[in-house]
Amino acid sequence: DADVTQTPRNRITKTGKRIMLECSQTKGHDRMYWYRQDPGLGLQLIYYSFDVKDINKGEISDGYSVSRQAQAKFSLSLESAIPNQTALYFCATSDFSAGELFFGEGSRLTVL
Amino acid sequence: SQKIEQNSEALNIQEGKTATLTCNYTNYSPAYLQWYRQDPGRGPVFLLLIRENEKEKRKERLKVTFDTTLKQSLFHITASQPADSATYLCALEPLESGGYNKLIFGAGTRLAVHP
Repeated sequence: DADVTQTPRNRITKTGKRIMLECSQTKGHDRMYWYRQDPGLGLQLIYYSFDVKDINKGEISDGYSVSRQAQAKFSLSLESAIPNQTALYFCATSDFSAGELFFGEGSRLTVL
Repeated sequence: SQKIEQNSEALNIQEGKTATLTCNYTNYSPAYLQWYRQDPGRGPVFLLLIRENEKEKRKERLKVTFDTTLKQSLFHITASQPADSATYLCALEPLESGGYNKLIFGAGTRLAVHP
C-alpha cells in the first residue's frame, strides 16, 4: 500500500457542486500539505497543517477549505466548484524541518 | 516579483551523455533547495536537497550545485539512461518561511533520453 493515499484519483463534477478530496498517510508524519498543479505552472500550495490543531493558508487558498481529522488524515474541500479549479491536486507529508516531501499519486479533478 | 524559473523546453539527449538542468530564482533567499522527479500521472519523488551554505551534493549518478550569487542551481545526471526520462522539478524554501517546509516549486523541465 502507498504511504500517502489520495481518493478519489479522478473526479468529474459540475459547477457549483461540493467536492471533497481525501488524503491519508501511514508515515506517521505531523506535517501535511495540499498542492495544486496546472500544466506549465509549478505546484502551488493551497493549505498546510502541522498537527490536528494547526491549519494554515497557502498561496492560493481562496475557494478551498481543509479539515485535519487526525494526524493521518487531511481533507481538501471545494465548497462550490468552478471550472478554473480543474487541476491535478496533490497531498504531501513531511516529518521535520527542511525534510523532503512525500507525495500521493494525485487526484485529477475536472469541473464542467 | 519572486519566481523560480526552469527551462520550459524539453531537454533531449542521447543515452550515456550528461544531462544538465537549470533552476534560476529571483527575489528569494533560500534556506535550501530540493530537486524532485515526476513521471506522467504520478506524484513528485524527492531526489536531493542542498542547503544555502553548500556548493555541491552528489548521490549516485546525480549531482546538484547551488550558487547563491548567481541565484542558480544546476542538476546533473551523468551516464543518462532512457529510464531517466521524466520531468524534474526544483523547489526552494525561503528563509522567511521559518522552516515550515513551505516549498515554492518551479514548473519543471522535461528530460527525454534517447537510446
